Amino acid sequence: AQKVTQAQTEISVVEKEDVTLDCVYETRDTTYYLFWYKQPPSGELVFLIRRNSFDEQNEISGRYSWNFQKSTSSFNFTITASQVVDSAVYFCALRRIGATNKLIFGTGTLLAVQP
Amino acid sequence: DVKVTQSSRYLVKRTGEKVFLECVQDMDHENMFWYRQDPGLGLRLIYFSYDVKMKEKGDIPEGYSVSREKKERFSLILESASTNQTSMYLCASSLPSPGSSGNTIYFGEGSWLTVV
Repeated sequence: AQKVTQAQTEISVVEKEDVTLDCVYETRDTTYYLFWYKQPPSGELVFLIRRNSFDEQNEISGRYSWNFQKSTSSFNFTITASQVVDSAVYFCALRRIGATNKLIFGTGTLLAVQP
Repeated sequence: DVKVTQSSRYLVKRTGEKVFLECVQDMDHENMFWYRQDPGLGLRLIYFSYDVKMKEKGDIPEGYSVSREKKERFSLILESASTNQTSMYLCASSLPSPGSSGNTIYFGEGSWLTVV
């Protein structure tokens, strides 16, 4: 069975702090994609990153970085020097390569960045 | 940029009413999806369509139906709305797999439905 677990329901930090959002997944597939989406208060899910299971290189995009470790089935997301605009719900998701219909989401982590 | 537009952001409907949620995408995507989002449950797939007039059930199709008469439009239908269908509904689209860009699903802004 496929499953995504985001154990942190809510996180509150003060602006400029670094924060890491955890994501642990389960799958029997050897090839798959992992995703992070951001959902601001407006409701739209904004695509942040897609990671292929063959590529374990960490990725950095501005203040965002992602740590993918197959050995621990984790795909963690770090925001450096957080800002109030980072306040949102963040979802981690898993999808099989070749499967067109299934994007398995975690339950999301609500990040509140206080000024 | 991909644009997925949901026609209604906020709706209030009465129990037993027939409800239509409309979604349009402008990127000629073959795949379209309807998800439901509830606190503590994340997003759950209701229905999926991979082509015009084609549909597949997702994880929670009961109480819902869909219609895809044109490639760009995917409608979610609640035949007889019930209070347990009060939720946030998200439409999405993507290119078909395989393909590097085809594996990203793009979402609309969501429709908040309250059934009273």
